[in-house]
Amino acid sequence: GAVVSQHPSWVICKSGTSVKIECRSLDFQATTMFWYRQFPKQSLMLMATSNEGSKATYEQGVEKDKFLINHASLTLSTLTVTSAHPEDSSFYICSARDGGARTEAFFGQGTRLTVV
Amino acid sequence: QKEVEQDPGPLSVPEGAIVSLNCTYSNSAFQYFMWYRQYSRKGPELLMYTYSSGNKEDGRFTAQVDKSSKYISLFIRDSQPSDSATYLCATAYGNNRLAFGKGNQVVVIP
Repeated sequence: GAVVSQHPSWVICKSGTSVKIECRSLDFQATTMFWYRQFPKQSLMLMATSNEGSKATYEQGVEKDKFLINHASLTLSTLTVTSAHPEDSSFYICSARDGGARTEAFFGQGTRLTVV
Repeated sequence: QKEVEQDPGPLSVPEGAIVSLNCTYSNSAFQYFMWYRQYSRKGPELLMYTYSSGNKEDGRFTAQVDKSSKYISLFIRDSQPSDSATYLCATAYGNNRLAFGKGNQVVVIP
């Protein structure tokens, strides 16, 4: 299967600072990338969908000014959590789909964010 | 109504048993069906992918789709302790986003 690399795998930051998470598709071009958030023992909650070269589409209830998504190239999308607060502590996961006929999405390893 | 329903109850089975997991979905337009496996603190990994009714086998894993009843299943034969993980079903249509079930935590006891 295709490989999606997410970095960092874990990060601890102080309240009020910003954190950037990168998601890269290593062996395919990802026209669409998705960002999810997952709380312990819960399923994946879609935060936003980003298409290369256009603005991300955010799900209802997700603050676009707090969770900045950039999908500037076909292999890289970034999620920046701005002015992080302890309630933003969670597991963030990206996934990517290529532009071909394959519909399955491949996931990154996830980033565990802890805001102290 | 949620797009995909998956009873999130944990499931414990002895090693060697068959694991049976199920999901139902609400939108008849869903065309693609997937099962993902997620180990603790890791991203989900694609396990099975199918787009038609019927069975698809891959080693010890069998995915089953019944579009008439909007029901999808995953069977794991000869379960191993390494199969202990959370299993998520997912559906999609066209290029739209995936809809996930809540996930089933499976524990295979040696």
